[in-house]
Amino acid sequence: GAGVSQSPSNKVTEKGKDVELRCDPISGHTALYWYRQSLGQGLEFLIYFQGNSAPDKSGLPSDRFSAERTGGSVSTLTIQRTQQEDSAVYLCASSLVNADTQYFGPGTRLTVL
Amino acid sequence: GENVEQHPSTLSVQEGDSAVIKCTYSDSASNYFPWYKQELGKRPQLIIDIRSNVGEKKDQRIAVTLNKTAKHFSLHITETQPEDSAVYFCAASSGSARQLTFGSGTQLTVLP
Repeated sequence: GAGVSQSPSNKVTEKGKDVELRCDPISGHTALYWYRQSLGQGLEFLIYFQGNSAPDKSGLPSDRFSAERTGGSVSTLTIQRTQQEDSAVYLCASSLVNADTQYFGPGTRLTVL
Repeated sequence: GENVEQHPSTLSVQEGDSAVIKCTYSDSASNYFPWYKQELGKRPQLIIDIRSNVGEKKDQRIAVTLNKTAKHFSLHITETQPEDSAVYFCAASSGSARQLTFGSGTQLTVLP
């Protein structure tokens, strides 16, 4: 079946602009995660959604970052007033409820000029 | 929170040799330990995982061992092939906090 998809694959923006990144999880996966991968680094957890529960936002680096998940499926990560240090690959993952295995999307490469 | 350290950061081996990557974790509540392979420009792909009730798991040329007492786990790749060249990440999570905490990655190069 279809895997996790993300759009856009690449996004170039100017410092100070807002950006929206989209994630479509695997059908039937109720858990959705956002991670950030800076150049040459490991993955850093940002936010976790599980069903209708309140999201775990403990990894968001600042209040410029927010995310929502509508209808328990598609998720959007929004970065307001982007800064150069926000440049990274933003990865989304999904999993079945109460399952450990996370499946990753291809990521969105964000470049802030 | 959890902290995962991974070594080495780079590893070069001759084709056919074995490769070992080691990780340590800090949170004794962590109970799930996956390994991901990431090729350049691609998404991380799960290659093997282990849960804390198991000490070792094998899948063909790949094996993972877990020492809960010492809080470390290792990835073993035998009979390495050039297509094994990639960045490998270890990770850990606990049942209550499902997000993964990743190591910093190991760039494995298999020389033909």
